Amino acid sequence: DTGVSQDPRHKITKRGQNVTFRCDPISEHNRLYWYRQTLGQGPEFLTYFQNEAQLEKSRLLSDRFSAERPKGSFSTLEIQRTEQGDSAMYLCASSLGLALDNEQFFGPGTRLTVL
Amino acid sequence: GQSLEQPSEVTAVEGAIVQINCTYQTSGFYGLSWYQQHDGGAPTFLSYNALDGLEETGRFSSFLSRSDSYGYLLLQELQMKDSASYFCAYNYGQNFVFGPGTRLSVLP
Repeated sequence: DTGVSQDPRHKITKRGQNVTFRCDPISEHNRLYWYRQTLGQGPEFLTYFQNEAQLEKSRLLSDRFSAERPKGSFSTLEIQRTEQGDSAMYLCASSLGLALDNEQFFGPGTRLTVL
Repeated sequence: GQSLEQPSEVTAVEGAIVQINCTYQTSGFYGLSWYQQHDGGAPTFLSYNALDGLEETGRFSSFLSRSDSYGYLLLQELQMKDSASYFCAYNYGQNFVFGPGTRLSVLP
């Protein structure tokens, strides 16, 4: 396993369209996170999964955003009715979930451009 | 509210030592992480402090004072490849809040 992978790497869409991104974490990692990052800013937490359970979700997250991790392995992030403000890099990360080790391994990200 | 503050930019020369400070304000706190991100790359983990004190990993060290809501990342023997953005992040539960980042430029 070479690390966290994300697909697609780039997505250009028109305002109002729906988009879906996929994340494949490191195979033995039970924790999976989604973040959004805009230029010059730090990653912004979106949601967190422990195995297949979505345990945390940002209160700032619009209802247009939904994420799943159906079998506790890969995850998808869907954005419905995209808006220009959704343009950003969407990052996925995974971790083993050890008590005093919060090391997250980030994927390369999906860059979304909404026209 | 919940927030982190770190300097926006730091410049140093090769071989020098640089300290990047991070202060945070939050009602819930488990620990403080540091990540490095090169332009166009993904964040990579540097360190995590759950307890007060200094953690050393090679050329990098990280410090945490929970009572002062303060931490820092210390980079020694700077190399050109250390030029990158550095983010501190605190977590409560598994909700991670990242700071705005500090852009480090290492000059020859």
